[in-house]
Order: sequence, then structure tokens, then C-alpha cells
Amino acid sequence: GAGVSQSPRYKVAKRGQDVALRCDPISGHVSLFWYQQALGQGPEFLTYFQNEAQLDKSGLPSDRFFAERPEGSVSTLKIQRTQQEDSAVYLCASSLRPSSGDYGYTFGSGTRLTVV
Amino acid sequence: RKEVEQDPGPFNVPEGATVAFNCTYSNSASQSFFWYRQDCRKEPKLLMSVYSSGNEDGRFTAQLNRASQYISLLIRDSKLSDSATYLCVVKDNDMRFGAGTRLTVKP
Repeated sequence: GAGVSQSPRYKVAKRGQDVALRCDPISGHVSLFWYQQALGQGPEFLTYFQNEAQLDKSGLPSDRFFAERPEGSVSTLKIQRTQQEDSAVYLCASSLRPSSGDYGYTFGSGTRLTVV
Repeated sequence: RKEVEQDPGPFNVPEGATVAFNCTYSNSASQSFFWYRQDCRKEPKLLMSVYSSGNEDGRFTAQLNRASQYISLLIRDSKLSDSATYLCVVKDNDMRFGAGTRLTVKP
């Protein structure tokens, strides 16, 4: 596609519910990143994929968070047993090349998750 | 200490003003630096890269001081459309963002 596509755009979940957030990166982009952005804060790194390999998951806040990219294109971020503190915008970004290098990433519009 | 720290703002300036944002980073081995712009309820978008020699893009000038681990963004002749949050970004293997500085340009 022309840009990074994320779905759903908005998600309201009851506390304790599991959610799955989808990211369609730009076609052919090797690198894919997930970020979490709380209200009034900058995006916080969650995890990074190079093709289907998850090379860095150091930012995932707990073992309730899980991400996958099984075929090296679409990625899913899953949050189990959601808590109120998980309420945030979840941003996906992709880039054509591996992560290091003097270039920025293209972000999707994000999924706004509200846990009630 | 956060990896990337920015002036918290908010900055409220009149049209035509010059405004400067500052940012410091903690990892001296960081390789690449950027400024991103984020409009309300929108995704971050790349504004410009930041190079050691300093670089300019129209009304925007970015500076990097590696010795002081300091990055700046200068906006000249502010426009109403410059109102947004400006995010300082430091990149090693992935991008790390500051909390952002909110700018409001008023008529």
C-alpha cells in the first residue's frame, strides 16, 4: 500500500479482555516497529522486527504483550488481560532498510486503545 | 534519567516570531538524530534530519552538538500552521523519542 495501515483505528476494551492490533507496513519494507504513546508523552519503543525475525522486544512492558510478524509483512500486537494503564495510542512504523542508518521511519495513524 | 529530554513547553508565540527548541540525549554513541512533528491526534511525521554541520530547510534550522549531546531546532518567521508538537528523536538501532514540545503560534 501507499502508507502504513493500522487497524482498528479505535478500540475500547473491558479490563481483562484480550486485544489484537494489526499493522500493514509499506509493501517491501524490511523493518517494522511498534511504539506506545501515552497521552502527553512521546512514543515509547516496544519492539522491532526485521522481516519475520523479532530482533528486539526490550520495550514490551510485561509478558501480557506479544508481537508477531510470521511472514515478514503484516504484524500483530496482542495484549492479554488488558489493564487501564494499557490505554494509549499504539503506533506502527516501517522502513525499507534494516533499522540502523541515517533515515527516519514512516508511521501509521495508530490504534487508540481505551481500557475501561 | 530519560534517554531523550526536551523542553516541556508549551511555547506560545505570535506569528512571525522566532522560536527555539532544545533537546539533550544520554547515549554518547547515538548515531542519527531527527526532529519529528506531530499534530493533535495524528501520527509523527519526519520534519528533518539533524547533522553535525547543522542543516537548514526553509525556515527551519537544526543543530547538533555531539560533545554536549545537545540538539536544537530553530523556527524563523513562525506561521499559524507551525502549531504542533515537536519531537526530538535519537536513533541507534531504533528511534527513541523525547516527550515533545508543544508549540502554539497565535495571530
